[in-house]
Amino acid sequence: ILNVEQSPQSLHVQEGDSTNFTCSFPSSNFYALHWYRWETAKSPEALFVMTLNGDEKKKGRISATLNTKEGYSYLYIKGSQPEDSATYLCAFPHDMRFGAGTRLTVKP
Amino acid sequence: DAGVIQSPRHEVTEMGQEVTLRCKPISGHDYLFWYRQTMMRGLELLIYFNNNVPIDDSGMPEDRFSAKMPNASFSTLKIQPSEPRDSAVYFCASSPSLGNTEAFFGQGTRLTVV
Repeated sequence: ILNVEQSPQSLHVQEGDSTNFTCSFPSSNFYALHWYRWETAKSPEALFVMTLNGDEKKKGRISATLNTKEGYSYLYIKGSQPEDSATYLCAFPHDMRFGAGTRLTVKP
Repeated sequence: DAGVIQSPRHEVTEMGQEVTLRCKPISGHDYLFWYRQTMMRGLELLIYFNNNVPIDDSGMPEDRFSAKMPNASFSTLKIQPSEPRDSAVYFCASSPSLGNTEAFFGQGTRLTVV
């Protein structure tokens, strides 16, 4: 089992702040990394599928980068809004085990 | 496609009873995953199937849990006998492949064992 580690466990920011969090993974045998957004009382939904070292993907105010050599991916949220409040999960798709997630709370 | 469909959405049962959760994956998806949401472990992988064959069931908590996928369009997760500590939200997800394609989740089944 290859584990992904996420940090921080939780994050509280003010509306308008930009923020970022980390997913760390074993750099050997890498072929992809997934990011998901999970709102309370809903189901997880995919944000990004990252495959190439140096990948940078963007969806609105949310973007992600990937460094496969050092084994980490960053998720950035620019100008956080209350509706961004959710748990953000990463997963190694070789067995779709998720990290513990980063719970983001954006205060108005 | 209607997406991944789970039933029932809510289940309340008494301790000791058998519980069966059901999942219909998206048509054409070769992979099906069962997860359990708990406070302690977050989203915990229980088991996954590839082309109806169980590949990794190391996350199944104990012998009281079993999962089957008799065909490409249906899977069940059974708990027998159920215990109060099994109370959780159970998610099913499906994916066309492992790797470059995302997984799609059902709405979950909230199980309460009293």
